[in-house]
Amino acid sequence: GENVEQHPSTLSVQEGDSAVIKCTYSDSASNYFPWYKQELGKGPQLIIDIRSNVGEKKDQRIAVTLNKTAKHFSLHITETQPEDSAVYFCAASMTGGYQKVTFGTGTKLQVIP
Amino acid sequence: DVKVTQSSRYLVKRTGEKVFLECVQDMDHENMFWYRQDPGLGLRLIYFSYDVKMKEKGDIPEGYSVSREKKERFSLILESASTNQTSMYLCASSQQGSGNTIYFGEGSWLTVV
Repeated sequence: GENVEQHPSTLSVQEGDSAVIKCTYSDSASNYFPWYKQELGKGPQLIIDIRSNVGEKKDQRIAVTLNKTAKHFSLHITETQPEDSAVYFCAASMTGGYQKVTFGTGTKLQVIP
Repeated sequence: DVKVTQSSRYLVKRTGEKVFLECVQDMDHENMFWYRQDPGLGLRLIYFSYDVKMKEKGDIPEGYSVSREKKERFSLILESASTNQTSMYLCASSQQGSGNTIYFGEGSWLTVV
């Protein structure tokens, strides 16, 4: 089955700096890669996703890149703000029919004011 | 606004008790899921259901069962709770098929003593 590895497990940045979280996946058939943000006391919420037919996607201060050859994808947050502090999960799955979504182990991001 | 509601946020149960965790979604989603979240292990799938009365085992089904009698409701059952089932439990739902956003509830913190 699919295996998703996520690094780092914790990340501290100064407000205004950039943060990068990296994930690798094992199944070359995976073609959908969502990112979820979990704030304290809440459930995870989708913040951005990318499909394997594109290499990069941006939404304001967040962007995701995908390297299919190397089987890794990354989340980039620019101009970090204290409200970006949360746990971030990457995930991978295949589309078509029902396919299980495999999550990474999470990255706890702390933005220091 | 989409909503996945977990009826109990915090529970304390004794070893050997039967425990019910209830989840309701108001989005008419076909798929529903139960995940377990533990530090350093990310989100692990316990069971999922793609239709009423249908269920499939996830990665860690041992010690759990589920029930889906109505489309909007998905229950997780711990037949005989054990201390190693102390964890955060997340219910989620999504539209039929893959590559669709998974919507999570806010989680149920279960402590088994």
